[in-house]
Amino acid sequence: GAGVSQSPSNKVTEKGKDVELRCDPISGHTALYWYRQSLGQGLEFLIYFQGNSAPDKSGLPSDRFSAERTGGSVSTLTIQRTQQEDSAVYLCASSPTGGFFSGNTIYFGEGSWLTVV
Amino acid sequence: AQSVAQPEDQVKVAEGNPLTVKCTYSVSGNPYLFWYVQYPNRGLQFLLKYITGDNLVKGSYGFEAEFNKSQTSFHLKKPSALVSDSALYFCAVRDGDRGSTLGRLYFGRGTQLTVWP
Repeated sequence: GAGVSQSPSNKVTEKGKDVELRCDPISGHTALYWYRQSLGQGLEFLIYFQGNSAPDKSGLPSDRFSAERTGGSVSTLTIQRTQQEDSAVYLCASSPTGGFFSGNTIYFGEGSWLTVV
Repeated sequence: AQSVAQPEDQVKVAEGNPLTVKCTYSVSGNPYLFWYVQYPNRGLQFLLKYITGDNLVKGSYGFEAEFNKSQTSFHLKKPSALVSDSALYFCAVRDGDRGSTLGRLYFGRGTQLTVWP
């Protein structure tokens, strides 16, 4: 697709339920990121995938959070046993890695708005 | 470690006046600096970036930013503000060091820009 695609765009779930959020990066982008943005807060790094390397999971807030990336493309962020404090916008982003890596632009999706009630 | 500071939570200017949104950074190597804008209920949109070269970088929607190495700043500017520029602006630095965090974006807390008619 033309941009980073995320689904669902909105999700309301009951406390204690599991949720899955999907990200489809821009075609050909090998770097993929998940960030979280809570109301009134800044952007919190969650996890980073780069090609076939082991992901950087250092930002995951608890073991209830996990993410995988299948086939080097689509990624799924899973939150188990959701809590009210998990309510936030979950943003996915991707970037190319050819050329000068750190100079490549990172492009964001529209986000998945999660509300835990 | 890399970090970004946006010292102003809010900036308010009248339409037609110049605007500046401030950003300072701290990096251990070469800085790769980015500005993003977020409109209400939307994802982040890339505005501009500094990688190397000219200190004045021009970006989308008439925005520009000036890289100042001695002051470790990367302030966002626009000569004449529009009401439609009202949004949340994020400064970010990308990790150019080797290691597991290579490529991660570190964000400031954001600055809410309000342009009144």
